[in-house]
Amino acid sequence: GQQLNQSPQSMFIQEGEDVSMNCTSSSIFNTWLWYKQDPGEGPVLLIALYKAGELTSNGRLTAQFGITRKDSFLNISASIPSDVGIYFCAGPSNNAGNMLTFGGGTRLMVKP
Amino acid sequence: DVKVTQSSRYLVKRTGEKVFLECVQDMDHENMFWYRQDPGLGLRLIYFSYDVKMKEKGDIPEGYSVSREKKERFSLILESASTNQTSMYLCASRTPGYGEQFFGPGTRLTVL
Repeated sequence: GQQLNQSPQSMFIQEGEDVSMNCTSSSIFNTWLWYKQDPGEGPVLLIALYKAGELTSNGRLTAQFGITRKDSFLNISASIPSDVGIYFCAGPSNNAGNMLTFGGGTRLMVKP
Repeated sequence: DVKVTQSSRYLVKRTGEKVFLECVQDMDHENMFWYRQDPGLGLRLIYFSYDVKMKEKGDIPEGYSVSREKKERFSLILESASTNQTSMYLCASRTPGYGEQFFGPGTRLTVL
């Protein structure tokens, strides 16, 4: 099946720093989703991207849908302690779009 | 407010036991999903149900079965639990199409 390669696997940063993570695929995606999982909880959708080249923001978060449709980036500006968690990229894994393939996740740790 | 609940947050079972994980959603969603989450592997789809009594295998269905007798409830069954099924199990639901998947808080299952 389709695979999403997400990097880095983990990051340990100082509060206030900017963060960048990315996701690549060997096949084309028509939709990219970014989820965040807080410790002890299920993932929650942060940003959805539907068009190649699209750049979308949600507060301090910005995500981009790569032009090739095989990659996506998520940036977090001025990180704060509550940004701690695991960030997942995801994309539809079948033509109907009702199944998702997830990347391996980026674990973010923020030092106050 | 959107809600997906899972019957247990933590569960410890013995090898060979039959295990039931229950998921309930209150959003009248047709689609429901069971994933397992392992470090570095992201979320992998076990089974998907697109409506009552309808199911489809995901990427890793071996060793699992599911039941969907009512729209709001989706059960994951481990017929004979094994130690390699120790994992975090996440349930999700959504409306058909490209709508967001809403996740429950997860059940951390340990098989001894």
